[in-house]
Amino acid sequence: GENVEQHPSTLSVQEGDSAVIKCTYSDSASNYFPWYKQELGKGPQLIIDIRSNVGEKKDQRIAVTLNKTAKHFSLHITETQPEDSAVYFCAARMNSGYSTLTFGKGTMLLVSP
Amino acid sequence: DTEVTQTPKHLVMGMTNKKSLKCEQHMGHRAMYWYKQKAKKPPELMFVYSYEKLSINESVPSRFSPECPNSSLLNLHLHALQPEDSALYLCASSQGIGRGDTQYFGPGTRLTVL
Repeated sequence: GENVEQHPSTLSVQEGDSAVIKCTYSDSASNYFPWYKQELGKGPQLIIDIRSNVGEKKDQRIAVTLNKTAKHFSLHITETQPEDSAVYFCAARMNSGYSTLTFGKGTMLLVSP
Repeated sequence: DTEVTQTPKHLVMGMTNKKSLKCEQHMGHRAMYWYKQKAKKPPELMFVYSYEKLSINESVPSRFSPECPNSSLLNLHLHALQPEDSALYLCASSQGIGRGDTQYFGPGTRLTVL
């Protein structure tokens, strides 16, 4: 089955800095890669996703890059703000009928004012 | 609107109790999911319903019983739970279970089993 590794497990940055979280996946059949943000006491919120026919996608301060050859994808947050502090999960999903999301173990991002 | 609602927000139950968790979405999605999440861990898939039929059961103990009364509602019936079942239970929905259908999560029910 699919295996997703996520690094780092904790990331501390100063407000205004950039933050990068990296994930690798094992199954080359995976073709959909969402990122979720989970604040304390809340459910995961989709913040951006990318499909395997695209190399990069941006949404304001957030971007995701995908390298299919190396089987890794990354989340980039620019101009971080304290409200970006949360746990971020990457996930991967294969293109098959009943495939399900495989999550990384999560990254706790702490943005200090 | 990408809202999935869950009730109750918090639930405390004894090991002999029977309770139910509820989930609702009005996005016209035909796939709904139950996940269990322990502290500092990613969500773990429990069940998947597609077009109101159970499609995936990830070897979940029978003390958890899912039900999908219609395409907008998903229930999780709980009976004779153990303290180790205490967790955040998340519901999610997606348009289908096909290629890369985006899953939207609800806020979760925080369950404590005494």
